[in-house]
Amino acid sequence: AQKITQTQPGMFVQEKEAVTLDCTYDTSDPSYGLFWYKQPSSGEMIFLIYQGSYDQQNATEGRYSLNFQKARKSANLVISASQLGDSAMYFCAMREGMDSNYQLIWGAGTKLIIKP
Amino acid sequence: DAGITQSPRYKITETGRQVTLMCHQTWSHSYMFWYRQDLGHGLRLIYYSAAADITDKGEVPDGYVVSRSKTENFPLTLESATRSQTSVYFCASSDRGRNYGYTFGSGTRLTVV
Repeated sequence: AQKITQTQPGMFVQEKEAVTLDCTYDTSDPSYGLFWYKQPSSGEMIFLIYQGSYDQQNATEGRYSLNFQKARKSANLVISASQLGDSAMYFCAMREGMDSNYQLIWGAGTKLIIKP
Repeated sequence: DAGITQSPRYKITETGRQVTLMCHQTWSHSYMFWYRQDLGHGLRLIYYSAAADITDKGEVPDGYVVSRSKTENFPLTLESATRSQTSVYFCASSDRGRNYGYTFGSGTRLTVV
C-alpha cells in the first residue's frame, strides 16, 4: 500500500488564486513528520514546510500553510495568492518514528502550473 | 561555501564504463542519501548512510556502490554503467532530530549512451 498518496498528477490554477495540493499518508506510528518540497523546472529540491504529528497547530511559512487533519491522515499544502513562480512539481514526504534511519517516504508529486 | 555540493552537474558516459558521482556537505550532518529521479518513478532511494563507515541499501541499489570514509563525503559509483541508469541523481543530507528534513544537492544529470 502507498504510504504517501498525492492524487493530483497535475493542476492548472489562475495566478493570484489560492491552491491546495492534496497529500494523504498512512502510518501506524504515533510519531511522524510530514514535509513538502518544491521542485521547479531548474531541478533543485526546495524544502517548504514541516508538520510534526504532535504539533497542535498547523504549520505556516509565509504563503505556505499545511492543512493538517490527523484523523483523516491528510496533510494538504495550501499556497495563498499563487504566483507564476509557484509553477513546479510539489512533493509530499513522511518520516516515521525515531527509528527510520531518517529516511523520507515520498509521494509521486503534483505538477502545478500557474496561468497568468 | 556552506551547503551540499554535487559534481559533476552533467555527465555523459558510455555503457560499461565506471563513473563516480561526488557529494560533499559542509554541515557535518549524520545522514546522507542518494536518490535517482526518473519520470514516472519519482524519487527512489539508492543508498543511504547513517554515519561515516555505515552505509545501507535503499530501494534500488543494484549496479551502484557507495562509500563514506569521511562524514562530509558520500560518493556514488556506477560500476559498469547501463542505459537504464540514465537519470538525475540527487544527494541529500539530514541531521538528527524528528523535524529535520533533507537538504538536497543540485543534482547530477547522467546520460549513459
